[in-house]
Amino acid sequence: SAVISQKPSRDICQRGTSLTIQCQVDSQVTMMFWYRQQPGQSLTLIATANQGSEATYESGFVIDKFPISRPNLTFSTLTVSNMSPEDSSIYLCSVTFKWDRGFYEQYFGPGTRLTVT
Amino acid sequence: EDKVVQSPLSLVVHEGDTVTLNCSYEVTNFRSLLWYKQEKKAPTFLFMLTSSGIEKKSGRLSSILDKKELFSILNITATQTGDSAVYLCAATGTASKLTFGTGTRLQVTL
Repeated sequence: SAVISQKPSRDICQRGTSLTIQCQVDSQVTMMFWYRQQPGQSLTLIATANQGSEATYESGFVIDKFPISRPNLTFSTLTVSNMSPEDSSIYLCSVTFKWDRGFYEQYFGPGTRLTVT
Repeated sequence: EDKVVQSPLSLVVHEGDTVTLNCSYEVTNFRSLLWYKQEKKAPTFLFMLTSSGIEKKSGRLSSILDKKELFSILNITATQTGDSAVYLCAATGTASKLTFGTGTRLQVTL
């Protein structure tokens, strides 16, 4: 596994503003993802962060709202833009390590709890 | 569309009881099934299962996968209050993307 850190761990933001969340891993990983967990819900994948190229977004998520960067193999950022109260969630980055025979174990960072007022 | 369903949604047991959590999945090009424990924010990795019929075990927790019937179970024996958490099941298909179930909330009381 690896040590995954996220900053900030929590924030309270006003609607209409933007927040950038950072994810740092202490070793090179195969893949990095960003997930959202809305209150009382399970985790939903926002996008796959691709190193050196544009992220791959899931249905319902767009780059203008959730721009993502991944400049190298150990760091990624997710920005939540023009926030509304509906964006209040826990945001989690996750990383995968290749296991035997092409299988990947996936680990999560500590999460960022965002509240939009 | 890929789907993962967990049952029960919630469960309250007494310390020392044994519990079984269920997870069924429908995932295109299924590769693996993962179990996580979520207490506060971050899900903690428990198991990854890739082959049918092979039990994975860690202390009082064990899990098994049935790829024919498309389900997995997570067993916790001699439960303790520290086992209280939401247990998440997730399945991977193409591109290592996880599809999560809604989770089972387990509460262990004294």
